Amino acid sequence: AQTVTQSQPEMSVQEAETVTLSCTYDTSESDYYLFWYKQPPSRQMILVIRQEAYKQQNATENRFSVNFQKAAKSFSLKISDSQLGDAAMYFCAYMSKKGAQKLVFGQGTRLTINP
Amino acid sequence: DAGVIQSPRHEVTEMGQEVTLRCKPISGHNSLFWYRQTMMRGLELLIYFNNNVPIDDSGMPEDRFSAKMPNASFSTLKIQPSEPRDSAVYFCASSLSMGDYGYTFGSGTRLTVV
Repeated sequence: AQTVTQSQPEMSVQEAETVTLSCTYDTSESDYYLFWYKQPPSRQMILVIRQEAYKQQNATENRFSVNFQKAAKSFSLKISDSQLGDAAMYFCAYMSKKGAQKLVFGQGTRLTINP
Repeated sequence: DAGVIQSPRHEVTEMGQEVTLRCKPISGHNSLFWYRQTMMRGLELLIYFNNNVPIDDSGMPEDRFSAKMPNASFSTLKIQPSEPRDSAVYFCASSLSMGDYGYTFGSGTRLTVV
């Protein structure tokens, strides 16, 4: 079974600075999807960014970008120009392309933005 | 579109009572997922429906839990009888067929069993 590990339970960053959240995963598959979700205090799970494993190019969405290292099974999220509204729990997730489209989540990283 | 709609937002019930959580997926989405979130176990998939048919219920913790999807626009998760260890946030999510663009989650139901 696939597993997702987020080794940083908590991170903090100064407003306007850049922060990187780490994620590693374990799989024997060669094609899959990876996601980052944000969960602010409102509890809503919000999709931040998505990566397809067969694409070498790292995904980018405005201030959010990923560093996808397939051989190392690493999928980190970089947030540039951090804003107070970025404070949230961030979850890394894996989805196999085979069988049911189940999202397997990591344990999450709580990000604090210091003004 | 109003997104995935869950009700109630909060539920407090006494141990032994029946609890029913409700979900309305996004129109046109044909996959629906129920997840449970706790501090200890994180986000766990309970059950997954595709075209209203349960595909994988291996995450349902025990027979006290049941889920139904009578039509494409409605699903329920029922716990009977409820126990304090069922206290958690329960999320419903929906997606288009392959789910490869991720799920859209509802706002969750915070269940407290006392």
